[in-house]
Amino acid sequence: KQEVTQIPAALSVPEGENLVLNCSFTDSAIYNLQWFRQDPGKGLTSLLLIQSSQREQTSGRLNASLDKSSGRSTLYIAASQPGDSATYLCAVSGSARQLTFGSGTQLTVLP
Amino acid sequence: NAGVMQNPRHLVRRRGQEARLRCSPVKGHSHVYWYRQLPEEGLKFMVYLQKENIIDESGMPKERFSAEFPKEGPSILRIQQVVRGDSAAYFCASSRAGTDSNTEAFFGQGTRLTVV
Repeated sequence: KQEVTQIPAALSVPEGENLVLNCSFTDSAIYNLQWFRQDPGKGLTSLLLIQSSQREQTSGRLNASLDKSSGRSTLYIAASQPGDSATYLCAVSGSARQLTFGSGTQLTVLP
Repeated sequence: NAGVMQNPRHLVRRRGQEARLRCSPVKGHSHVYWYRQLPEEGLKFMVYLQKENIIDESGMPKERFSAEFPKEGPSILRIQQVVRGDSAAYFCASSRAGTDSNTEAFFGQGTRLTVV
């Protein structure tokens, strides 16, 4: 059974700092990995999707990496802004076709 | 979010009533997934449907919960005889295909069910 863990559970940083969020998964037989953002009381916004054959994806100030063999992914956020404050969720998709989510990292960027 | 529409956004039901949650997927998507997010917990898979078929319902409670995705119209998640423990946010996602590694899931805004 796939399990996804995200570390840290919460993170508070000053504006402008670069930061890294971590995600690990137990079963390396995945189709892809997605990073989402969830604002309080809102839905999920897809940030990046990394296919199983890819090593990284970039979108603006976000860069996500994938090391399938070790079961790890990182989300790098450059030059953080207060508007980046949200919960960041990592999810993997496998042969069961469903997404398995981590519990998220709650990020606060202080102005 | 490419247009996954869920309604209602908020739903209040008394214990024992029925709750019906609707999800219209992104136009052209034929795969729909329902997830539940309990307070202070992560999202958990409930059910995966393709038009008129339930593909995987392994995450759905055996009693009181049912889901459908008819040929025409939205997908419906139905909870009969609701209890306080059903209070949660229910999210629907849709995708173009089910198993492609390039398949991205798009989520709706969720329905927040409160059972009083």
